[in-house]
Amino acid sequence: SQKIEQNSEALNIQEGKTATLTCNYTNYSPAYLQWYRQDPGRGPVFLLLIRENEKEKRKERLKVTFDTTLKQSLFHITASQPADSATYLCAMPSGSARQLTFGSGTQLTVLP
Amino acid sequence: DGGITQSPKYLFRKEGQNVTLSCEQNLNHDAMYWYRQDPGQGLRLIYYSQIVNDFQKGDIAEGYSVSREKKESFPLTVTSAQKNPTAFYLCASSLTSLEQFFGPGTRLTVL
Repeated sequence: SQKIEQNSEALNIQEGKTATLTCNYTNYSPAYLQWYRQDPGRGPVFLLLIRENEKEKRKERLKVTFDTTLKQSLFHITASQPADSATYLCAMPSGSARQLTFGSGTQLTVLP
Repeated sequence: DGGITQSPKYLFRKEGQNVTLSCEQNLNHDAMYWYRQDPGQGLRLIYYSQIVNDFQKGDIAEGYSVSREKKESFPLTVTSAQKNPTAFYLCASSLTSLEQFFGPGTRLTVL
């Protein structure tokens, strides 16, 4: 089965800097990969999807890359703000149709 | 407003009791899912349903049961057979095999 590894340690960065979060997977390369944001005590919210034939995807201050050779996706938040503080989860399809496997998430704190 | 609702937000259960968590969506999505999240861990799939009257076990289905009698509703019952039910439970739905929409979650505590 697919295994997903995200930065196990929390990430603290200074406001205005770029945050970079890592998602590594161990087996087959998925057709796409997703990133979600989760605030404490709330459900995850979808942010971005990147397909295997796309090297990079952007949405406002967010950028996601997908390297099937390295079996890795990087999630960047530029000009970070304290409001970006949350846990970020990566997810990819697994098993039969419409199932997702989630990583354990990386907790990001942006310090003012 | 379209979305997914879960109730209750907090639920307390005595050992040996069955409890049912509610999940309703008005997004007209075919697929619905139940996940469990423990502190510092990712989401683990309990059950999922792609159409009405059909559902499949996920990775950790033991001690749980579901039903899908209506497209909008996918209730989860945590039975007394679930030995460690204290967790945060999340319901989600999707229209395609792409993004999933999550409810606000139910935090279950066993007393």
